[in-house]
Amino acid sequence: EIVLTQSPGTLSLSPGERAALSCRASQSVSSSYLTWYQQKPGQAPRLLVYGASNRATGIPDRFSGSGSGTDFTLTISRLEPEDFAVYYCQQYGSSSWTFGQGTKVEIK
Amino acid sequence: QVQLVQSGAEVKKPGASVKVSCKASGYSFTAYYVHWVRQAPGQGLEWMGRINPNSGGTNYAQKFQGRVTMTRDTSINTAYMELSRLTFDDTVVYYCAREVGSSWNHFDYWGQGALVTVSS
Repeated sequence: EIVLTQSPGTLSLSPGERAALSCRASQSVSSSYLTWYQQKPGQAPRLLVYGASNRATGIPDRFSGSGSGTDFTLTISRLEPEDFAVYYCQQYGSSSWTFGQGTKVEIK
Repeated sequence: QVQLVQSGAEVKKPGASVKVSCKASGYSFTAYYVHWVRQAPGQGLEWMGRINPNSGGTNYAQKFQGRVTMTRDTSINTAYMELSRLTFDDTVVYYCAREVGSSWNHFDYWGQGALVTVSS
């Protein structure tokens, strides 16, 4: 099973700042199968980026995904108040899906 | 619009079983896999498995093999997840989610979640 490790665990930033979230895989992941979700308290996860770098419908262009192989990054160029949430990466491989443990982006 | 509406919160005793439903609307139910993902309070997301609503075929995460059963009723566009031999560690929110399909494997729509509390 591929293990995804997200870092940092918590990111304390101010609105307007740039956020870079890391997701590292224990073995190579197809870029097509690396996804990012956002989750706010009491809500279901929301699809943000799929295929490592493709924004989902309705997602603002301040969100961008990059990476390949074992290292992937979600970047939020300028944090808006509504962006403070927990972010999860997910991968698919061998008929199994796994999630990272999440990165919490909190207001500094 | 696409919607996945789950059944409500449940309280179960240790050793019992729980069955959570997920009713789909706004799309062709049999055309997309339905997955089940769970989340303990304050914790991350854990994939449990998926069902092909067309064939009924399933894939389960190894951790839940033998304890989880996913089924569907195409006449009412509803998927079900039943978990048996519940323990206190099964006190979590259970989500259903739609797999987008085609050459992709991510989840584009999610249910609202169903809290299952295991308590003696």
